Amino acid sequence: SQQGEEDPQALSIQEGENATMNCSYKTSINNLQWYRQNSGRGLVHLILIRSNEREKHSGRLRVTLDTSKKSSSLLITASRAADTASYFCATNQASGNTPLVFGKGTRLSVIA
Amino acid sequence: GAGVSQTPSNKVTEKGKYVELRCDPISGHTALYWYRQSLGQGPEFLIYFQGTGAADDSGLPNDRFFAVRPEGSVSTLKIQRTERGDSAVYLCASSPSGGHTGELFFGEGSRLTVL
Repeated sequence: SQQGEEDPQALSIQEGENATMNCSYKTSINNLQWYRQNSGRGLVHLILIRSNEREKHSGRLRVTLDTSKKSSSLLITASRAADTASYFCATNQASGNTPLVFGKGTRLSVIA
Repeated sequence: GAGVSQTPSNKVTEKGKYVELRCDPISGHTALYWYRQSLGQGPEFLIYFQGTGAADDSGLPNDRFFAVRPEGSVSTLKIQRTERGDSAVYLCASSPSGGHTGELFFGEGSRLTVL
């Protein structure tokens, strides 16, 4: 069953601009993770934010988490052509020991 | 190798045939996961191993799917009597600790096409 839903489904921006992707989920979580997938490749872990954290940074990435709204956002600043990929949020539900559930992803295109 | 290794990278088979997909996790990682990804979708959980045992197989779609990890390292996903709907990329991931809470390290996937 789908837990996280990314928005938008697709995003096209110019190099140097910021890209913002959103993720909404349905049930309480222990943590939320963001992954990147280049076309035809495996997923690469970007960042994990715990339910008691509100914001986290890693290089040009900034992730926020609003548990009251059950939503998270991923901001990529000063985007580069190499950031072109699909980005997925994945949630670890708080109730029970349930598998990490991925959304459908946002396809980001950064145009040089 | 340093990462999760999956073979074959591509597999084309005919409907009704038997298929095996192999995953070699990162050395020392006790947890191993299989996910399936259809075109335009996110990965869907299939099965999770902690050591040699299947700790959670709730995602296996039916009894045509089976996975083993006999020595707690390499895992094989087995699909019997393949159907066209089984066509997807099968992703393997490993994690240094158990449970479903931590970061997953993914392989490049095995693309299965059932004709």
